[in-house]
Amino acid sequence: DTAVSQTPKYLVTQMGNDKSIKCEQNLGHDTMYWYKQDSKKFLKIMFSYNNKELIINETVPNRFSPKSPDKAHLNLHINSLELGDSAVYFCASTPSDSGANVLTFGAGSRLTVL
Amino acid sequence: GESVGLHLPTLSVQEGDNSIINCAYSNSASDYFIWYKQESGKGPQFIIDIRSNMDKRQGQRVTVLLNKTVKHLSLQIAATQPGDSAVYFCAEITNQAGTALIFGKGTTLSVSS
Repeated sequence: DTAVSQTPKYLVTQMGNDKSIKCEQNLGHDTMYWYKQDSKKFLKIMFSYNNKELIINETVPNRFSPKSPDKAHLNLHINSLELGDSAVYFCASTPSDSGANVLTFGAGSRLTVL
Repeated sequence: GESVGLHLPTLSVQEGDNSIINCAYSNSASDYFIWYKQESGKGPQFIIDIRSNMDKRQGQRVTVLLNKTVKHLSLQIAATQPGDSAVYFCAEITNQAGTALIFGKGTTLSVSS
């Protein structure tokens, strides 16, 4: 069983469209994250939710809206997609938000905006 | 802002050699450090971690060294194998609620046989 699963794995779309990426974890973790990995492999935190509550919101355009219907799910919706949104988006989870915990990552969702 | 960085973007070694991947961090408040391995098309995978009250930790074929005086972290891989070829990231975090792992830029390790 996959611990952190993301769908879709690949997403190709046109500029201006709206798209969503879904994430689910079956580890019983309380905290979930979205990271963005650019073409140079740099991983940057975008959002974090602890038990459905937003706790980290880095400087991300408000076209990005995370939603956590329950603590096992954290979805990412992106409006009005731009070329610069092309990246690999990783979902991750940890047991809690108390800092010193290992993140378990999903396999990533590669978004290509044309 | 403060960030974690790596000294070399790429490292090429021969199979059987020992590899050393270095990382410099700047946040002296960081309590916890993790090394991740990312293979092509996959998410980062945990390799080994170390807390700030330690200076060395060993795993299976891997050793992490922490030098808090110069804010330096290294990952040593013994008897490197082709399957070790990947991008390696160091990451740091403070032991506070509401913080997230900050990643360095990654070192691509290429192992030739």
